[in-house]
Amino acid sequence: NAGVTQTPKFQVLKTGQSMTLQCAQDMNHEYMSWYRQDPGMGLRLIHYSVGAGITDQGEVPNGYNVSRSTTEDFPLRLLSAAPSQTSVYFCASSSRTGGNQPQHFGDGTRLSIL
Amino acid sequence: LAKTTQPISMDSYEGQEVNITCSHNNIATNDYITWYQQFPSQGPRFIIQGYKTKVTNEVASLFIPADRKSSTLSLPRVSLSDTAVYYCLVGLFTGGGNKLTFGTGTQLKVEL
Repeated sequence: NAGVTQTPKFQVLKTGQSMTLQCAQDMNHEYMSWYRQDPGMGLRLIHYSVGAGITDQGEVPNGYNVSRSTTEDFPLRLLSAAPSQTSVYFCASSSRTGGNQPQHFGDGTRLSIL
Repeated sequence: LAKTTQPISMDSYEGQEVNITCSHNNIATNDYITWYQQFPSQGPRFIIQGYKTKVTNEVASLFIPADRKSSTLSLPRVSLSDTAVYYCLVGLFTGGGNKLTFGTGTQLKVEL
């Protein structure tokens, strides 16, 4: 069972570069989210999606874009990387069926911006 | 969004019961309370979820008082492998979207 797969696992960027963090899930979940985790800050929601073609902003959306063209994939794009975006990024998914279903997380992408 | 407050850290010994309390004074009527466990270099993993009273599964119990302004995660007979960060999550993730808020988590350290 693959669950939620994030790629790459590690990435180093220079300030101003752009890149896309990939997230894919094979559980046919409607809901997908992106979080960032910084030391001492817990997890903070960046963007989320309740289904293909529908996205919305979370707590810290600035500097990030998302799209949801398929149920399976939810990529996160950094438009112009800044050192403040150095963090660990987690993607999560959950089912819409059956009430408030728990989220399944990937193992993260560790991103460093120089 | 409902904010949560948890102890930053707790220490315990193998075989003991551990109780971690989370405060969520502004919890909304439709909000659920969910707990996750996170090991280093891994994503959070779901432990237990509840709405009111008590919920028990094979790994933990969750106690929620009538006013729902706090909740307690109870881990029976912890072992070294329970050393992790535990997050209390309050919110609703159905229908209109994601309104979940993660707290800063509680670092549980279990020793021999």
